[in-house]
Amino acid sequence: EAGVAQSPRYKIIEKRQSVAFWCNPISGHATLYWYQQILGQGPKLLIQFQNNGVVDDSQLPKDRFSAERLKGVDSTLKIQPAKLEDSAVYLCASSSWGGAEKLFFGSGTQLSVL
Amino acid sequence: TQLLEQSPQFLSIQEGENLTVYCNSSSVFSSLQWYRQEPGEGPVLLVTVVTGGEVKKLKRLTFQFGDARKDSSLHITAAQPGDTGLYLCAGGKAGKLIFGQGTTLQVKP
Repeated sequence: EAGVAQSPRYKIIEKRQSVAFWCNPISGHATLYWYQQILGQGPKLLIQFQNNGVVDDSQLPKDRFSAERLKGVDSTLKIQPAKLEDSAVYLCASSSWGGAEKLFFGSGTQLSVL
Repeated sequence: TQLLEQSPQFLSIQEGENLTVYCNSSSVFSSLQWYRQEPGEGPVLLVTVVTGGEVKKLKRLTFQFGDARKDSSLHITAAQPGDTGLYLCAGGKAGKLIFGQGTTLQVKP
């Protein structure tokens, strides 16, 4: 079974530029999550989708971050404009039904904002 | 405010030693999970505990959920270099998973 796919693996940009990350969850998983993990910290939930609807985006900085999951499968997370403090690993995860059960994580995208 | 506090944050030990990592909260969780994360990879689930007082064993790893479902511990017996990584606890609450800040474990050969 293929795991959660994320791209790119690494991205370096300058502040005020924009960037986009892509995630393809495990086939059949209805729930998709985007987490931000700053170095030395645990993952922080940015947004949770159930199919193509948003379940929770309370911690998403909506003035600069946006995410979509148009067809209920893959998802894109965008940052525009980026700030220095956005430097982090962005992890995508999926689960089969959306309760706090087993999450499968991708390898993440490491973003450096200079 | 960190909902889940892990301690210690860093741990460096010699191969063969035993260790315990703690995950504490003032909140009650419906479930508690432990993940292990290696550099450059996403977290991988080790175990889920759901019943207060529950103990689960995974080879040399023993996981315990507190009676009141507010805390958990991970004990590793005879640690090996392959156990090196970031250990994360995560609590299930209202359908969401909340992570602690993690414990970085280094096991030296």
